[in-house]
Parts: sequence; C-alpha cells; structure tokens
Amino acid sequence: GAVVSQHPSRVICKSGTSVKIECRSLDFQATTMFWYRQFPKQSLMLMATSNEGSKATYEQGVEKDKFLINHASLTLSTLTVTSAHPEDSSFYICSARSHRGSGANVLTFGAGSRLTVL
Amino acid sequence: GENVEQHPSTLSVQEGDSAVIKCTYSDSASNYFPWYKQELGKGPQLIIDIRSNVGEKKDQRIAVTLNKTAKHFSLHITETQPEDSAVYFCAAISNAGNMLTFGGGTRLMVKP
Repeated sequence: GAVVSQHPSRVICKSGTSVKIECRSLDFQATTMFWYRQFPKQSLMLMATSNEGSKATYEQGVEKDKFLINHASLTLSTLTVTSAHPEDSSFYICSARSHRGSGANVLTFGAGSRLTVL
Repeated sequence: GENVEQHPSTLSVQEGDSAVIKCTYSDSASNYFPWYKQELGKGPQLIIDIRSNVGEKKDQRIAVTLNKTAKHFSLHITETQPEDSAVYFCAAISNAGNMLTFGGGTRLMVKP
C-alpha cells in the first residue's frame, strides 16, 4: 500500500530557531500533500495544502511566513517552522493523496513529527 | 464548509464487547467517509472507508454504516481487544472539495 514517510519524528529546538520537517511519498507520486497540526487530545487541524510546483494554500489563521511549505517534487513536501516559539510546540502530521484501484482518492498519513520548542 | 461532529469523545468497553462511534456531517456533497485509528505518538492509520453509493461495509471485526439521508455514519467494532484502544477519527470529503474534515475524535479504551 501507499506509504508516507515523515522526518524527523521528534525534534527539540531553542526558541528563535527554524525547523524543517520532510514528508515523502515512498511508492507513489503525490501532486498534493497536506500539513496538519494536532495539539494534545485534540483533532487534526489542516494548516495548508501543498501543491507540487506551485504555492501552498494556507488555511485561515495560519501564517504563511511562519510556516513555509515547499513542494518541489512529486514525492517531497517540506514544512519549515521559522523562528519557532514555545507556542509552536505541537505534533505536525503530513498526508498525501494516493489513488487506489477503484479510482478513489485516499489520504495516507505520515507518522507525525513532534516539535518541542524550549 | 463541511462540519463533522463525532460522539462520544471517550468510550470505555470491556474486552469482547462491541464499540460504536457515531459521526454526522453537514455537507450533502460529501461522498467519501474514512475512519482513522491513531495510536499515541503516531500518525492516523486508515482502518476502513465508505463511499456514498454504499450503505454498509465490513472488514473482519470492523464495520461502517452510512445513512446519506440523515447525514450520519458510524463505526462498529465487535469483539473488542485491548489493542483496539486508541483514538479514532471519522472524516468526510467531497470530490468537489480538496479537504478532509475530521471529527473531534473518540478515545476508545478496551479493558482486559
């Protein structure tokens, strides 16, 4: 089945630094990837839609200059949290759309990246 | 936009009992309804899904039902096992839209 690899799984950084998270589709091409943020005991909140070769589409309230998204190839999207602050500490999860035999669009999720900003 | 409500938020059952989680959605154009299981510290894993042209789907101990008229769908887990303990999310998406909208999640605890 479709596999999405996310790296790193955990990262701890100092306040003010930038952190890059990678999301790769391992066995399929993904023209569209999605980035979610999940706070403890809460649901996943869509941050942005990453489109290969074009600018990402951000959800209302998400700062595009704070959360930089790059989708330079059909198998890789990156999320960079710039000038991270403690309130950016969260679980970040990516997903990619794959096509199953029925033609249905299925979202496969990465394992998530836990960011802790000190 | 789509709004997905999920109940209950927590569910505790005895091993071997059944568990039912219910979701409602608001957008009648939604036509794909996946269910995800998320274990602690991991990403969501698709466990079953259903399309709007089907009323019920079953995969071993897991089944999903869909009532398009009422705009609600449910996850049924039979013969629950401790390893079923996790957070379960329902979701809805329409072909017209590009976005998967999640329910608030249900924390299922199966007591041995």
